[in-house]
Amino acid sequence: AQSVTQPDIHITVSEGASLELRCNYSYGATPYLFWYVQSPGQGLQLLLKYFSGDTLVQGIKGFEAEFKRSQSSFNLRKPSVHWSDAAEYFCAVGGIQGAQKLVFGQGTRLTINP
Amino acid sequence: EADIYQTPRYLVIGTGKKITLECSQTMGHDKMYWYQQDPGMELHLIHYSYGVNSTEKGDLSSESTVSRIRTEHFPLTLESARPSHTSQYLCASSRRQGNQETQYFGPGTRLLVL
Repeated sequence: AQSVTQPDIHITVSEGASLELRCNYSYGATPYLFWYVQSPGQGLQLLLKYFSGDTLVQGIKGFEAEFKRSQSSFNLRKPSVHWSDAAEYFCAVGGIQGAQKLVFGQGTRLTINP
Repeated sequence: EADIYQTPRYLVIGTGKKITLECSQTMGHDKMYWYQQDPGMELHLIHYSYGVNSTEKGDLSSESTVSRIRTEHFPLTLESARPSHTSQYLCASSRRQGNQETQYFGPGTRLLVL
């Protein structure tokens, strides 16, 4: 069965510091991978996605993620965080067969120190 | 990005009441989804639809029901609300383009059952 693990429940970084959020997945076929961000009381906004091709994908708001098949990972990075990046971040994996039943990780809550 | 609307955004209701959470999208997406999210937790798929007159149950068992009479509309109904139904409900839609498919989310409905 597919699963997604986000090992860090809560991360605190200083404004301007670099950021890496970890995501490991288990999926029996070619995975489609996504990162979403959720601000308090809001829905999910798509940050970036990986379907195939270049394993380093660029997203919105200066985020990027790297797909490493050998490590079953899809970590999210940002070189310099801003206070507005404080939110909950979810990694998700899905496939292409039938309906796209996404499986989400538990999320990582990001706090930014001024 | 898709335009997905959910109403109401917040709902406080007493036990035993019938409620319908509305979800509509204007992008002509054929697939639609309902997820349930408890505070601080991951999303779990409770219902999905391939298209008009198609509904399927998701991975998480739910006492709610859904219907898909029109492409743009995917309402979720609870016949008799209970405190255990208190949660956030997120609607999403998607359409496959080639080998790519991305889900776009609405803002969610926060439900509190007293």
